[in-house]
This record gives sequence, structure tokens and C-alpha cells, in this order.
Amino acid sequence: SAVISQKPSRDICQRGTSLTIQCQVDSQVTMMFWYRQQPGQSLTLIATANQGSEATYESGFVIDKFPISRPNLTFSTLTVSNMSPEDSSIYLCSVRGSDGANYGYTFGSGTRLTVV
Amino acid sequence: DQQVKQNSPSLSVQEGRISILNCDYTNSMFDYFLWYKKYPAEGPTFLISISSIKDKNEDGRFTVFLNKSAKHLSLHIVPSQPGDSAVYFCAASDAKLIFGTGTRLQVFP
Repeated sequence: SAVISQKPSRDICQRGTSLTIQCQVDSQVTMMFWYRQQPGQSLTLIATANQGSEATYESGFVIDKFPISRPNLTFSTLTVSNMSPEDSSIYLCSVRGSDGANYGYTFGSGTRLTVV
Repeated sequence: DQQVKQNSPSLSVQEGRISILNCDYTNSMFDYFLWYKKYPAEGPTFLISISSIKDKNEDGRFTVFLNKSAKHLSLHIVPSQPGDSAVYFCAASDAKLIFGTGTRLQVFP
């Protein structure tokens, strides 16, 4: 399965600022996903990052707040903009292998974000 | 609208016994189901999966059962070990992965 490098692993940020999280995969993958896990909650899909086109956002998430880039098949970034304490969460990227096998969902180690 | 639910937020099992974690879903279009294990400060780790065309898949100590008519799946861990203590998430896929709410499993000696 793919190996994902996600950084930063954690950060403490001031409210009103923005943080960009990077996700690097060791192989080309078709689909990349960004998730959020709020404290004590499940993993919630933010958006699907598509190479060469705009990301597809889930209900409740908007591009202005969570802009995503996907410049190639091995890299994506998620920016958390104009942060507030409610954005304190773990953010994870995930990839699905290009062979289409559903069991090919692999996750990064996550970015633990604290907004003060 | 929670499409994937795990109704037990926690489970405590003695070492050596069976752990049974349950999951219910509402979307009949899901075609693949997965179980993940998660430790604090780490990303989810894939455990086992099952296609919607099957009713059972086994991998070592882990077995997943799928009951499509009831829209229910379960993960059996036998025998349970203290190292199994973690939060377990079921997830369902219809091109994107939807997670359940998680069950915290504690295996005590």
C-alpha cells in the first residue's frame, strides 16, 4: 500500500491565522481525501482532492475556509483559513490506490491542530 | 445524517476472550466495508475489509461478518489481547469512505 508523509504533525496557531498542511504520497494515486477528527468524534470527510480540477467538498465545508491544492498525483495541501478555536482538530489525508481496490485506503499520521 | 453508526461507544473485554464490535449502516449502495484501528496521535490503521457480495472475511484473529439484509456488520477479535486496546472505526465505501462514530475497546488482563 501507499506510504503517506503528512506535515506538520502538530501545530499551535493563533486565531485568525491560516495553516497549510501537506500530504506527500510515495506513489501516484488517483484519489486523495482530507478528513477532520474533532475531539472525541469520528472522522469526517472534508473534501476529495482531484488532480487537475477543483476539489469536491462535502456538506458543511467550503472552499474559502478549506482551500485545497492538488498539483500532481503524489501531492496535496489543505489550508485551514482564518482559524478559530473550533477548528482545533486532527486533520488527516488519505489516498485510494489507482487500482480501484477499496481496501487501498491508507491514511497519513495526521496533523494535530490547536487554535488559541 | 449519520450513514454509518457504531452504537457502543466503549467495550471492555478480558484478555483471551472474544471482542465483538458492531456497526450499522443505512445506505444500501455501499459496496465495501472496512474496519480501522486508531491509537491517539496516529492515523487510522487498516485492519480488514469485506465486499458487499460476501458475508464473511477472516484474517488471523480478525473476522468481519456482513448481514446485508439487516445492514449490519461486526468485527470479531479472538482471542483479544491487551495490545488490541484502541478505538475501532467501521467505514463504508461508495467511492468515498464514510466512517462510523467509533468504539473504544479496552482489553484487560
